[in-house]
Amino acid sequence: GQQLNQSPQSMFIQEGEDVSMNCTSSSIFNTWLWYKQDPGEGPVLLIALYKAGELTSNGRLTAQFGITRKDSFLNISASIPSDVGIYFCAGATDSWGKFQFGAGTQVVVTP
Amino acid sequence: AAGVIQSPRHLIKEKRETATLKCYPIPRHDTVYWYQQGPGQDPQFLISFYEKMQSDKGSIPDRFSAQQFSDYHSELNMSSLELGDSALYFCASSLGGSSGATDTQYFGPGTRLTVL
Repeated sequence: GQQLNQSPQSMFIQEGEDVSMNCTSSSIFNTWLWYKQDPGEGPVLLIALYKAGELTSNGRLTAQFGITRKDSFLNISASIPSDVGIYFCAGATDSWGKFQFGAGTQVVVTP
Repeated sequence: AAGVIQSPRHLIKEKRETATLKCYPIPRHDTVYWYQQGPGQDPQFLISFYEKMQSDKGSIPDRFSAQQFSDYHSELNMSSLELGDSALYFCASSLGGSSGATDTQYFGPGTRLTVL
């Protein structure tokens, strides 16, 4: 069963606002990945995190690998309409990269 | 940059038919993963291959099988299709390496399978 808890499930925000979402796990993870998925398309990798405490940015996106290795968050600053989509976290505990996915956070940006 | 290629993009089959999905990983990637994603669900891991050998197995039904070929492309074979098999099927690839490190997975665009 799924061990990842991703929240919130959905967010309705106004353009220009910041967005924050997080994932927590009952297991210690070695890797955290954040993806964005548009309807009918494959998940697109946004940020990859490999070390506890790591803070990584990709444009307006910032993600951190929690110190306990059981959580991660993703922030989107100054949201724009194209940020609309479903954001998934994925974590892996073992060395063969079998990732578990969170349930996703649906982001809706209104003008 | 080259990405993961999946074919076909859309497939319509009837119950009890068979289907074959193909995946071409990013060049030099040696590890392939298959996922199934139902409507409104997160991707569920099915199976993975590293250097043509099965490396891990998830919730893949016995009716499904997969393999990775010498050129690293992979095929997912699905038999006795059921209505519940209708879903998006994603392939992802990564550069596993001999150390077996957890490596970043890059997803293909997916194959939408509809079983009627």
